[in-house]
Amino acid sequence: KAGVTQTPRYLIKTRGQQVTLSCSPISGHRSVSWYQQTPGQGLQFLFEYFSETQRNKGNFPGRFSGRQFSNSRSEMNVSTLELGDSALYLCASSLDSLSIQYFGAGTRLSVL
Amino acid sequence: ELKVEQNPLFLSMQEGKNYTIYCNYSTTSDRLYWYRQDPGKSLESLFVLLSNGAVKQEGRLMASLDTKARLSTLHITAAVHDLSATYFCAVVTDYGGSQGNLIFGKGTKLSVKP
Repeated sequence: KAGVTQTPRYLIKTRGQQVTLSCSPISGHRSVSWYQQTPGQGLQFLFEYFSETQRNKGNFPGRFSGRQFSNSRSEMNVSTLELGDSALYLCASSLDSLSIQYFGAGTRLSVL
Repeated sequence: ELKVEQNPLFLSMQEGKNYTIYCNYSTTSDRLYWYRQDPGKSLESLFVLLSNGAVKQEGRLMASLDTKARLSTLHITAAVHDLSATYFCAVVTDYGGSQGNLIFGKGTKLSVKP
């Protein structure tokens, strides 16, 4: 059974650009969550999608958005990138929001 | 605003010893997660605790939840080097009418020495 796949693994962007990250969950999992990890702020929850609907959202500005497709794949978009957006972005999938989550390897974003 | 405090933040222990990591949180919640992260790696889910008094065990790790005390513990029994990692707890809080927002502790960096 394939695990959670995040693409790309590494990204370098410049300030002001936008970026789209992709997450393919484990087959059959309908819940996909996104997290940001930085040395300064630690781990922070971005949002959770379930059956194409955003169910939960963390305290991030509107520049951070996401969506989920009918096949449960999810994308996360960050517009007008800032230096502080440099981080490891983690995606996790689960059967539902009360089940154990399985994490992808992450996308490391560097904003220059 | 929900605050999640883990202690200790750093823990150096010898193989074979027992120890407990504590996770305190400041407002009502009945859902708590524990995760493990190895250096340079992604997160691994360890436990999902869904109710007061919940106890879960996997190998040398046992987690419990006391919602009245707003406290979860992660107990390590007879530590081995392979348990060296950073452990995070995360608490779900009701937020703006949605089902919840996860707030993470800062993590406990565990180092098990022979």
